[in-house]
Amino acid sequence: GAGVSQTPSNKVTEKGKYVELRCDPISGHTALYWYRQSLGQGPEFLIYFQGTGAADDSGLPNDRFFAVRPEGSVSTLKIQRTERGDSAVYLCASSLTSLSGEAFFGQGTRLTVV
Amino acid sequence: DAKTTQPTSMDCAEGRAANLPCNHSTISGNEYVYWYRQIHSQGPQYIIHGLKNNETNEMASLIITEDRKSSTLILPHATLRDTAVYYCIVRDGNSGNTPLVFGKGTRLSVIA
Repeated sequence: GAGVSQTPSNKVTEKGKYVELRCDPISGHTALYWYRQSLGQGPEFLIYFQGTGAADDSGLPNDRFFAVRPEGSVSTLKIQRTERGDSAVYLCASSLTSLSGEAFFGQGTRLTVV
Repeated sequence: DAKTTQPTSMDCAEGRAANLPCNHSTISGNEYVYWYRQIHSQGPQYIIHGLKNNETNEMASLIITEDRKSSTLILPHATLRDTAVYYCIVRDGNSGNTPLVFGKGTRLSVIA
């Protein structure tokens, strides 16, 4: 399809393990955003890429979280030494440019740390 | 932090207009008002945005007060499929480095 694709849709991992979450943005979209959403809350901003570079990573909660976008398209969110508090839905969005507020969101990856 | 305040929840009868209010009293001149909605178990979906003038598209209308301190999203004929959480967001339209900041939104329940 032509929308934002996130894989996997669900991920269960043990506390302390490393996980990678993938986002395929809409082709041609230069801006890419990662959010996470806990139950009953609005999406919480994590990091934003403009092209290959992270333009704003102020939302990453700590140094266990890292994201890359090496070719300016697909992005991977990486979480080291997962904790139960990391359990949430991780959402990815892309937009045509960084100035466009019309962002297109994927369905999210539901991460459960047990 | 979100720069907007919205009611926690609202009900609307199916077929009637749903009017969702939003206060953004600290909005600055460069900031646009955006509305997104999130249907259960899906990612947020863009609805509409505006700066000063009222806007209308196939989904909704956006009414912004003259002082821009508040706005109302109008779904003219609500259906059951419009049940969702609606987020009002203000964002600097001139800055390329400002992400969308979501609050808790308004949970709209459309009732048959």
